[in-house]
Amino acid sequence: QVQLVQSGTDVKEPGASVKVSCKASGYTFIYFQMHWVRQAPGEGLEWMGRINPNTGDTKYAQKFEGRVTMTRDRSTSTAYMEVSGLTSDDTGVYFCTRGKPTGYFDFWGQGTLVTVST
Amino acid sequence: QSALTQPASVSGSPGQSITISCTGTSSDVGGYKYVSWHQQHPGKAPKLMIYDVSNRPSGVSDRFSGSKSGNTASLTISGLQAEDEADYYCSSYTSSTTLVFGGGTKVTVL
Repeated sequence: QVQLVQSGTDVKEPGASVKVSCKASGYTFIYFQMHWVRQAPGEGLEWMGRINPNTGDTKYAQKFEGRVTMTRDRSTSTAYMEVSGLTSDDTGVYFCTRGKPTGYFDFWGQGTLVTVST
Repeated sequence: QSALTQPASVSGSPGQSITISCTGTSSDVGGYKYVSWHQQHPGKAPKLMIYDVSNRPSGVSDRFSGSKSGNTASLTISGLQAEDEADYYCSSYTSSTTLVFGGGTKVTVL
C-alpha cells in the first residue's frame, strides 16, 4: 500500500533553516510528482510547490520562490523540502502529498510540525 | 495566485443535504476540469473526496458529489452524517501550472 512517512517535529530559531523529509513506499517513486502543502495553526491549506522525482524539475508557488528548495533522492525514494530564513510565520504543519497528472492529491504524509521560536 | 473563495462555514441537520461553493477565475476553476475536494478532520491529514470536478475515489461514499459551472465548483454532501463534520478544501490547477486551494469551509452537523 502507498505510504508517505515524514520526519518528526522540529523546533527552529528565527533565521535558521529546516529540512523536512518524506519517504515514499508502495509505488514507483519516479512515476508521480511530489507536492508540499503548508498549514499554519488554525489556518487553511497552502500549496508550496512540487518536484518531479524523475527529473528533479521543480515548480514553486510565487510566495515561496527563493526561500524553499525541493529535492529528492531516487535511491531511497525520499523527497525533501527545505525552508530557509525562517520566521514565526513559517510555524505550521508541512505535508508531502503525491500528485496525479491532473493536479489532485491522492495520498498524504502524516504531516511534520515545524515551530519557529526563540 | 489568490486563494479560491469558499464560505467559512456551512451547517445542516443529520439527513439533510448541504452544498459548499468554491469560486475562482477563468485562469483556474473556470479554465480546467481539474478541481478536487479534500476533507480534513482536526489533527489529521487531508483526505481526497472528489477529483477532476466530479469523480469519487474508491472507498468514498456516494453521498459526496461534485460539479462545476463557470468559475464556481461545488461539493454536495447528501444524507449528512455526524462523521461528515470536518473542514473541506477545494483546489484547482491553474494556468501558471501551479495549484491553489480554497480558504476552507467548516461543516457543522447540528
